[in-house]
Amino acid sequence: EADIYQTPRYLVIGTGKKITLECSQTMGHDKMYWYQQDPGMELHLIHYSYGVNSTEKGDLSSESTVSRIRTEHFPLTLESARPSHTSQYLCASSQGNNSPLHFGNGTRLTVT
Amino acid sequence: QKEVEQDPGPLSVPEGAIVSLNCTYSNSAFQYFMWYRQYSRKGPELLMYTYSSGNKEDGRFTAQVDKSSKYISLFIRDSQPSDSATYLCAMTLAGKSTFGDGTTLTVKP
Repeated sequence: EADIYQTPRYLVIGTGKKITLECSQTMGHDKMYWYQQDPGMELHLIHYSYGVNSTEKGDLSSESTVSRIRTEHFPLTLESARPSHTSQYLCASSQGNNSPLHFGNGTRLTVT
Repeated sequence: QKEVEQDPGPLSVPEGAIVSLNCTYSNSAFQYFMWYRQYSRKGPELLMYTYSSGNKEDGRFTAQVDKSSKYISLFIRDSQPSDSATYLCAMTLAGKSTFGDGTTLTVKP
């Protein structure tokens, strides 16, 4: 049973559209993360947050932005989607600094 | 050079086989070591989590860490078709996790 929820699961959208990928967790974790995963490739960290009103860019440069207004909610926004944004986006949370990650089931985004 | 290198696979084994999945890493400062399992169209789920060198066993799964060689392994005994998935090694430093590319395992009945 997932304690971290991502919506939508699948999204096909045209170039130039603005999109928001939703992520919510019910575990009260302070730390939340967004990863990008392409088939056969490692997970790349694109954003993370260590608490409310705290957001940082990850190792992989991304044109997306995030916000953390509530502990349980960590949405990711793309202002103008492009085909190069086609990927799977995984949201995760963790309790402590080196605690394992709890992942959602991802949003598979296709930009046409 | 990548910080974490994972044996690429894919790997196909008959049911009941012993499976060995391996990762090497270059940063000796990594503190915690994890194995995640990812089924198709799902997010990764934690399988094993360990800190020190040595073996940690959980049912049919054994995680092995050798910090001196910068090498970690996951062994699956008596593999089952339900073990068919992609396995990701990961290690953390200062709150950030670095993942391997994953090894896709198929266990044939």
